[in-house]
Amino acid sequence: QVQLQESGPGLVKPSETLSLTCTVSRGSIRNYYWSWIRQPPGKGLEWIGYIYHSGSTNYNPSLKSRVTISVDTSKNQFSLKLSSVNAADTAVYFCAREPTSGGVFDYWGQGTLVTVSS
Amino acid sequence: DIQMTQSPSSLSASVGDRVTITCRASQAISNDLGWYQQKPGKAPKRLIYSASSLQSGVPSRFSGSGSGTEFTLTISNLQPEDFATYYCLQHNSYRTFGQGTKVEIK
Repeated sequence: QVQLQESGPGLVKPSETLSLTCTVSRGSIRNYYWSWIRQPPGKGLEWIGYIYHSGSTNYNPSLKSRVTISVDTSKNQFSLKLSSVNAADTAVYFCAREPTSGGVFDYWGQGTLVTVSS
Repeated sequence: DIQMTQSPSSLSASVGDRVTITCRASQAISNDLGWYQQKPGKAPKRLIYSASSLQSGVPSRFSGSGSGTEFTLTISNLQPEDFATYYCLQHNSYRTFGQGTKVEIK
């Protein structure tokens, strides 16, 4: 079955840009939507945005001004950039797959903790 | 934006109990709702999609119902491995999670 794995720095300084990549294995990135979701320590889940394999995107309005999600179909990867981070962006970041029908988020990565601190 | 109000925020139950968790959407979302289970340190796991469809491999003691603005997750015959936090998620417009329900052992 498909597997997702997040990768990227675990520590980012305030005001800098958080960058993460999700690698999809045992399946194609084509014909699905791919999302980023985050969870601050001890808190609930927040959807950040998604990208289709064609490159079309949709972002959470509360984060839209700071978020860019991109896709590299040749590497079966998609990426997240979150600019101007602050302590409130400290969270576990998950990537997840969205089928085009039958609900969303059927497969998830294990998550990666990103801490924003100087 | 669509808001999801999930209740209760926590509950205590015993093995064998029947548990019900509710989510209310701030506007009608058809059946664009899923339910997820999360255990500490793990990614969420999808239990229910399209409000009432059981994810493959998920035990039949989990069931979902509802449409429009009111949705329910029911766990019948609660098992030890079911103690976890449960989230609803709407995907009718953007995606919004409920605040979560922590199911604890009584």
